[in-house]
Amino acid sequence: QSVLTQPPSVSGAPGQRVTISCTGSSSNIGAGYDVHWYQQLPGTAPKLLIYGNSNRPSGVPDRFSGSKSGSSASLAITGLQAEDGADYYCQSYDSSLRKVFGGGTKLTVL
Amino acid sequence: QVQLVQSGSELKKPGASVKVSCKASGYTFTSYAMNWVRQAPGQGLEWMGWINSNTGNPTFAQGFTGRFVFSLDTSVSTAYLQISSLKAEDTAVYYCAREGANYEFDYWGQGTLVTVSS
Repeated sequence: QSVLTQPPSVSGAPGQRVTISCTGSSSNIGAGYDVHWYQQLPGTAPKLLIYGNSNRPSGVPDRFSGSKSGSSASLAITGLQAEDGADYYCQSYDSSLRKVFGGGTKLTVL
Repeated sequence: QVQLVQSGSELKKPGASVKVSCKASGYTFTSYAMNWVRQAPGQGLEWMGWINSNTGNPTFAQGFTGRFVFSLDTSVSTAYLQISSLKAEDTAVYYCAREGANYEFDYWGQGTLVTVSS
């Protein structure tokens, strides 16, 4: 049981917009800690996609965006492309002095 | 550029030990904490803990105490994960990940598959 809750799967057609939610609690996201997002392509290591709730590292397309409100956060992907098919994980910090992950969301591009 | 290069896959018998290395380059090793993350087959990411690369002080997540050791060799910019008394359920890919300013993992190693099987 992950501390952060994500939907197990989402899907969308090429060109569409999809969102992935990440729900936490008052001891992590709701306590003001930043949310970060990772993309894990099949058979590869995770890659930082969004940091500090809404910031993109250099090289990440602006089709990817993040937001946070209260105890939840969201990752949005616009102009969906076939190569976006991957697992996506949210991550934050918890006041119990630990880093926490969501369970992951598998994105299928139809 | 920042790189974390991990050691190769390991096949171990139950009860044995394994030591995974993570060699860093492209930045000042002692300026950033190193974290370890486990991913069991077909499962999600699980944070194992972190080590202060300046002091060597480790912190372990729940469920990763006792058999797990984090260590450093700052002379070669390398972090290590050692697991003793291996069990079948330790079979997983283990990642090292550098920690950024806001507890994010900004760079990851390629992962090391540890398989525990008799």
